[in-house]
Amino acid sequence: AQRVTQPEKLLSVFKGAPVELKCNYSYSGSPELFWYVQYSRQRLQLLLRHISRESIKGFTADLNKGETSFHLKKPFAQEEDSAMYYCALSHTGGGNKLTFGTGTQLKVEL
Amino acid sequence: NAGVTQTPKFQVLKTGQSMTLQCAQDMNHEYMSWYRQDPGMGLRLIHYSVGAGITDQGEVPNGYNVSRSTTEDFPLRLLSAAPSQTSVYFCASSPGTSDGGETQYFGPGTRLLVL
Repeated sequence: AQRVTQPEKLLSVFKGAPVELKCNYSYSGSPELFWYVQYSRQRLQLLLRHISRESIKGFTADLNKGETSFHLKKPFAQEEDSAMYYCALSHTGGGNKLTFGTGTQLKVEL
Repeated sequence: NAGVTQTPKFQVLKTGQSMTLQCAQDMNHEYMSWYRQDPGMGLRLIHYSVGAGITDQGEVPNGYNVSRSTTEDFPLRLLSAAPSQTSVYFCASSPGTSDGGETQYFGPGTRLLVL
């Protein structure tokens, strides 16, 4: 069965410090992974997807198939990064179904 | 484009009552989904649709019905509400794997409280 694990419910860092949000997955096929973000009082939105290999708002994530991980990183945290972050895995068989992790609340303190 | 819209924003129900959560999108997306968001559990897929007239169950379908008569609309029905259905419900749409990949666009959510 597909599973996404985000071990940290809450991650608190100081402004300017590096950020790493952990995500591990369990999947038998070739995974397609995403990070979604939900800012306060806003809807869930895509932050980045591994297949595009791009950097959004300074965040990057590398798929490590050996460690089955897709950790989200940013070298210098900003106050506006405070949000709930979800790692998600796309199902095979179409339908664009996603399995989400339980989410990590990132709090950037001044 | 309004994107994905959901109504109502907030609803209180009594146990046993029925209601329909509305979802609409104006992006001509083929795929639509319903998720529920619960503390400590992330988002879980309830039902999804790959096109008009086609629906299927997700991870937690019990107690919910859906239909997809048009590309634009994907309502979620609670036939007999239970306190366990207290949650935040999100509708999402995506163009499908043949056009733009699997990025999903979410609605603003509906907060449901079942007493």
